[in-house]
Amino acid sequence: SQKIEQNSEALNIQEGKTATLTCNYTNYSPAYLQWYRQDPGRGPVFLLLIRENEKEKRKERLKVTFDTTLKQSLFHITASQPADSATYLCALQTSGGYQKVTFGTGTKLQVIP
Amino acid sequence: DAGVIQSPRHEVTEMGQEVTLRCKPISGHDYLFWYRQTMMRGLELLIYFNNNVPIDDSGMPEDRFSAKMPNASFSTLKIQPSEPRDSAVYFCASSFGSRGETQYFGPGTRLLVL
Repeated sequence: SQKIEQNSEALNIQEGKTATLTCNYTNYSPAYLQWYRQDPGRGPVFLLLIRENEKEKRKERLKVTFDTTLKQSLFHITASQPADSATYLCALQTSGGYQKVTFGTGTKLQVIP
Repeated sequence: DAGVIQSPRHEVTEMGQEVTLRCKPISGHDYLFWYRQTMMRGLELLIYFNNNVPIDDSGMPEDRFSAKMPNASFSTLKIQPSEPRDSAVYFCASSFGSRGETQYFGPGTRLLVL
């Protein structure tokens, strides 16, 4: 069966360090992989999208890698700040005519001052 | 634009009652999604529309759930009759265009069924 796995345990990291979050998937052939941020009591907010033919994408302090052989995406936040504390969701979208996106359960990141 | 608007933000009801959740997507967006989020199951897609037409409702848990989109600026998700296991946060999201586009989420409706 199709599965998206993110570390369900919270990730605690010291301010200034690089946070790395993992998204693994099975039985998917995603055309796109997205990362979203969700703060308590709010809806998810889009951060980055990477396509299946891209290895890496960067945006300011954020970096996403996509390895379709390993079926894995890594999400990095460099020089982490307490304001980066949130839950981060990965989402897969397969090729096809429509926009159906499947989300992982998310990893909670806590950046400690 | 004000973003995706959802109402009510909080709903407390008793088992057996009808619940109606409302969503106004971002103007110009042609896709609308309804999701449910719980601690146990995460964010689940219930149904989505393209140009007001339901495309995939395979995530709707059972016949007690129904969704409509009478026009491009309004959608409803109805639960009748509601049950305690329906307690969750329900999100509406919208997007524009072809594959790979960003979904914009509303603030959600927190539903508690007693």
